[in-house]
Amino acid sequence: DAMVIQNPRYQVTQFGKPVTLSCSQTLNHNVMYWYQQKSSQAPKLLFHYYDKDFNNEADTPDNFQSRRPNTSFCFLDIRSPGLGDAAMYLCATSGSGAYNEQFFGPGTRLTVL
Amino acid sequence: GIQVEQSPPDLILQEGANSTLRCNFSDSVNNLQWFHQNPWGQLINLFYIPSGTKQNGRLSATTVATERYSLLYISSSQTTDSGVYFCAGVYWNAGNMLTFGGGTRLMVKP
Repeated sequence: DAMVIQNPRYQVTQFGKPVTLSCSQTLNHNVMYWYQQKSSQAPKLLFHYYDKDFNNEADTPDNFQSRRPNTSFCFLDIRSPGLGDAAMYLCATSGSGAYNEQFFGPGTRLTVL
Repeated sequence: GIQVEQSPPDLILQEGANSTLRCNFSDSVNNLQWFHQNPWGQLINLFYIPSGTKQNGRLSATTVATERYSLLYISSSQTTDSGVYFCAGVYWNAGNMLTFGGGTRLMVKP
């Protein structure tokens, strides 16, 4: 089945220690998105890639970076995690064009000690 | 930007009951998606519905784009329906941008 895969599902890191979250997709979609979701809140878009073009949301902290080495993979790097970065991180993909559905991966739950 | 509001914020049902969740959006959108977030955190696509009515088993959705609202109907609810239901307005900006509502937290009791 075509899908969006995230690894790891659970990640524990220490305050200030860089961490990388991974997303891959078999849907061959042009667009990949990263969201942050904190407890009892809706997902919040951090940034997205349209092919190789990176689009950052205005209020995304500089601490968050992303890489997309090819169509299938996208990474979220948190350079110096703080306690406030503990959250669920969701990756999503969609085709290009305004009438394409967005599909989400299972998420990575990040704990910062 | 687009504002999306959902009601009710919380809902408790007895197993077997029916319910209607509402989503209002402030401006025209290209599309509207409904999701169910399960207890493990995964967002599961329910409907992709810019207008009209769609049905999938016990669930159905209706979007009236001209009046800027969408409804999600759950019939004969089951405990596995518990979780958070999000609607999201979709607009294009170098990607399909989702503006999420605040969600409806549903608990179905056996």
